[in-house]
Amino acid sequence: EAAVTQSPRNKVAVTGGKVTLSCNQTNNHNNMYWYRQDTGHGLRLIHYSYGAGSTEKGDIPDGYKASRPSQENFSLILELATPSQTSVYFCASGGDAEQFFGPGTRLTVL
Amino acid sequence: AQKVTQTQTSISVMEKTTVTMDCVYETQDSSYFLFWYKQTASGEIVFLIRQDSYKKENATVGHYSLNFQKPKSSIGLIITATQIEDSAVYFCAMSPIASSSFSKLVFGQGTSLSVVP
Repeated sequence: EAAVTQSPRNKVAVTGGKVTLSCNQTNNHNNMYWYRQDTGHGLRLIHYSYGAGSTEKGDIPDGYKASRPSQENFSLILELATPSQTSVYFCASGGDAEQFFGPGTRLTVL
Repeated sequence: AQKVTQTQTSISVMEKTTVTMDCVYETQDSSYFLFWYKQTASGEIVFLIRQDSYKKENATVGHYSLNFQKPKSSIGLIITATQIEDSAVYFCAMSPIASSSFSKLVFGQGTSLSVVP
């Protein structure tokens, strides 16, 4: 009964290919977030959303798009994947304070 | 801009002892939240505890407590009676308390805690 789930959990993609990472939350939170985690950089915000239909750029949005079709779902899209996008990606949902994280997706771009 | 700094890269403690992890922050905001998160070996990130900047009382949840020193822009995490399963990476984070219902977190680099028998 995890409140934030991500799919896939692991993904291998080819350079130049399109990748979609999906996130679903049952917390009924308005806000959702996408982060990537890399050694030496900690967690960095890529995109976020205030609610269905909204997406906003975070601190490192280049090369990424986001989509929030509903309250529950938030996707991260890599139109043309590059090896520099190899990372672990976390989705989170939250209200006006703490955020709750999904289990992460390990993406490898070859 | 906000900044969160955790200077301790790794700490090792004996089981059942108390450990304190340090965190200092920089912000121009008058009101803000401070958080601690735990990342387990499996990669799971778990929210532990929160301190509201306008509250003088230190937050406590289970065997986690905070040492909030606002004049020093410091928020330490204290874990008492440590257990092996407390071994993890601990992240400090902050966000402003904005008029909107939105929270944008800024994270520190993390402190790796190892609890040994």
